[in-house]
Amino acid sequence: QKEVEQNSGPLSVPEGAIASLNCTYSDRVSQSFFWYRQYSGKSPELIMSIYSNGDKEDGRFTAQLNKASQYVSLLIRDSQPSDSATYLCAVNTSGDSNYQLIWGAGTKLIIKP
Amino acid sequence: EAEVAQSPRYKITEKSQAVAFWCDPISGHATLYWYRQILGQGPELLVQFQDESVVDDSQLPKDRFSAERLKGVDSTLKIQPAELGDSAMYLCASNTGLDNNEQFFGPGTRLTVL
Repeated sequence: QKEVEQNSGPLSVPEGAIASLNCTYSDRVSQSFFWYRQYSGKSPELIMSIYSNGDKEDGRFTAQLNKASQYVSLLIRDSQPSDSATYLCAVNTSGDSNYQLIWGAGTKLIIKP
Repeated sequence: EAEVAQSPRYKITEKSQAVAFWCDPISGHATLYWYRQILGQGPELLVQFQDESVVDDSQLPKDRFSAERLKGVDSTLKIQPAELGDSAMYLCASNTGLDNNEQFFGPGTRLTVL
């Protein structure tokens, strides 16, 4: 069974520090990787997508993908209290033409002022 | 900015009653998903539509749940009768259906069954 694993946390990080969130996946042929942010009581919001090995930067966010090791990570620089949320990792496999995502359970991030 | 619309935002009902949720995807998005999310878990796919056709409803409890997207645009998810275990967030998402898996979510409907 295809799985996506995340540490449930909570991960506590001081304001201004770098928050590092990790995700591993089981299906070696996975091709598309996504990070969603979800505030308490709200719906998931797409913040990063990554398709190739290496780093992808967008503002304070950097997604890192290592297909050989089957992990994807999200770095948040200069963490702000507003970054406190649950971060969901989602993965699609190349063999799935139905564009379905396999979801992790999320990591709760707390930024301490 | 284009958004996925959902209504109602909150619904409280008693068990054995019927409830219905509505979703209007981003204009032009061919693929529509209904998810259920329980606190502390990732979204669980209930049903996926491509235009007006069901692509996957393997996880939809068909004895009580139904979903339709008659004209390939907006969609309705119904539960009848509701059970206590149905209390959850019901999320609708859409994507273009092209070679891109980015899914965009509506605000969700928080269902509480008493």
